[in-house]
Amino acid sequence: GENVEQHPSTLSVQEGDSAVIKCTYSDSASNYFPWYKQELGKRPQLIIDIRSNVGEKKDQRIAVTLNKTAKHFSLHITETQPEDSAVYFCAASYGGLSGGGADGLTFGKGTHLIIQP
Amino acid sequence: SQTIHQWPATLVQPVGSPLSLECTVEGTSNPNLYWYRQAAGRGLQLLFYSVGIGQISSEVPQNLSASRPQDRQFILSSKKLLLSDSGFYLCADRTIETQYFGPGTRLLVL
Repeated sequence: GENVEQHPSTLSVQEGDSAVIKCTYSDSASNYFPWYKQELGKRPQLIIDIRSNVGEKKDQRIAVTLNKTAKHFSLHITETQPEDSAVYFCAASYGGLSGGGADGLTFGKGTHLIIQP
Repeated sequence: SQTIHQWPATLVQPVGSPLSLECTVEGTSNPNLYWYRQAAGRGLQLLFYSVGIGQISSEVPQNLSASRPQDRQFILSSKKLLLSDSGFYLCADRTIETQYFGPGTRLLVL
């Protein structure tokens, strides 16, 4: 099955600086890569996702890049703000609801992002 | 848009007592449904998933079970809770590709 590794486990950056979280995956058939943000005591919320036919996707201050050859993808947050402090999870799956897609996403272990004022 | 409901929101149960957590989904049909558990400060552990009524797949052996009596209802149960069952239980649904989580049930077993 799929295995997703996520680094670092904790990341502390100064407010206004950029933050980068990296993930690698093992199954070359995976073609869908979402990122979730989980604030303390709340559910994980989808913040951005990318599919394997795209190398980069951007939404305001956040962006995700995908390198299919190397099987890794990254989350980039620019101009970090205090409200960016949270745990971030990457995930990977094979798209579609039957067969390989039905068993859901495989998640990384999470990165605790701390924004220092 | 779809909405996922979970109840109860919080629960405190003694060791050895039974458990029933419910998840219902609105605004979608034939969803794939999932139960995850998150221990304090930890990642997301997939417990069960279901692709349809009466169809349950288990990811890890444990004292928990799941059932899907209706298309948009997913239930997590236990006959006897263990201390290690404490955690944040999240129901999720997946349509097309994107997966969304319900608000979760926080369970404390004493």
